Amino acid sequence: EVQLVESGGGLVQPGGSLRLSCAASGFPFSNYWMSWVRQAPGKGLEWVASIKQDGTEKFYVDSVKGRFTISKDNAKNSLYLQMNSLRAADTAVYYCAREDHSNYHHWGQGTLVTVSS
Amino acid sequence: EIVMTQSPATLSVSPGERATLSCRASQSVSSNLAWYQQKYGQAPRLLIYGASTRATGIPARFSGSGSGTEFTLTISSLQSEDFAVYYCQQYKNWPPLYTFGQGTKLEIK
Repeated sequence: EVQLVESGGGLVQPGGSLRLSCAASGFPFSNYWMSWVRQAPGKGLEWVASIKQDGTEKFYVDSVKGRFTISKDNAKNSLYLQMNSLRAADTAVYYCAREDHSNYHHWGQGTLVTVSS
Repeated sequence: EIVMTQSPATLSVSPGERATLSCRASQSVSSNLAWYQQKYGQAPRLLIYGASTRATGIPARFSGSGSGTEFTLTISSLQSEDFAVYYCQQYKNWPPLYTFGQGTKLEIK
């Protein structure tokens, strides 16, 4: 069974940093593109970033470029999102998702990031 | 950026009736279109990909159609568990810049 479990969310002040993790199991993690998708409170879904199977290609939505870094450790079956210079607009539930031909058949349960003073 | 527009924002339908949800792309996405269902407090669930292919375990009452810029999700006979928010997502771009519609809330009439 495919499982994706996010962790690392919490309350952080504007300008602060946070690192999200996603532990994957039940599938060959090194064979898949992975993504982060977020959802602000009461709002819709927003793709944030994607990373190639071997980590050599990474893509970001414009609003997080230069501030967020996606990475994956295939030896640890883990996906990460390093978030720096956080803003109130980054407040959201962050989901880890497995890409299957660019759509998302499997999602984690999400982790809430709140940026507030 | 390809903008996805869903209509209506809210749809009120009685159980057992048919629901038709629409999604329009600002430019052609071919058949690179997926539909997701999200219930309150839960992660999204993939229903349809490739515009018309049901994902694993999705009941036959869910069907998708369309190509290019106009897409439709049809639920043939609404069950109580189908009342939720539905999102479309395009995945045509390369490099990836996947975009979602703003969602349609399907509520009980």
